[in-house]
Amino acid sequence: DAKTTQPPSMDCAEGRAANLPCNHSTISGNEYVYWYRQIHSQGPQYIIHGLKNNETNEMASLIITEDRKSSTLILPHATLRDTAVYYCIVRVYSSGNTPLVFGKGTRLSVIA
Amino acid sequence: SAVISQKPSRDICQRGTSLTIQCQVDSQVTMMFWYRQQPGQSLTLIATANQGSEATYESGFVIDKFPISRPNLTFSTLTVSNMSPEDSSIYLCSGTSGGSYNEQFFGPGTRLTVL
Repeated sequence: DAKTTQPPSMDCAEGRAANLPCNHSTISGNEYVYWYRQIHSQGPQYIIHGLKNNETNEMASLIITEDRKSSTLILPHATLRDTAVYYCIVRVYSSGNTPLVFGKGTRLSVIA
Repeated sequence: SAVISQKPSRDICQRGTSLTIQCQVDSQVTMMFWYRQQPGQSLTLIATANQGSEATYESGFVIDKFPISRPNLTFSTLTVSNMSPEDSSIYLCSGTSGGSYNEQFFGPGTRLTVL
């Protein structure tokens, strides 16, 4: 699987949009971009994933550049409960046989 | 998505002893995995738990230290053997359902402290 690069930490004011960048310049054509987050003392939680089109769900939006070498996770109105470590992961879409490989992620602190 | 529970949620153990962690999923899953998260670090994959056969271990992890069982599609155990303080970590069970987007979901983790 391709590797990703994320800033180690970011701050965001409560109520503002949190934009978390991820670089995946060596991504292959059959690899998806997945985002997970880990709130303190909990297991990682799935947020969103995409291949090449922008995606949106009830939690977040995922913007993938046209060349697919980078992406941005957007939390539109960050709350204190969004404070967590966010992981950007690329992996081949499969039957689920391939486990996620975690990098260091971005520690997002939402500030009141 | 499926819900994973782990037992125990935390434990404090003496060096040289062993601890078995149980992982129960509320529905059948295709794959089950075990991860370790050392203090302040990211998650590291230990092994893939294979139903009815030996687990597949990642580099740096061996069966003698981390024996794993998976007797059916919803249950797995991880044993941390002959523990030392370096084994103090959070151990997480994970599974995939092979659904439309192959979401991988995680248990709450077992926080292990070895004295």
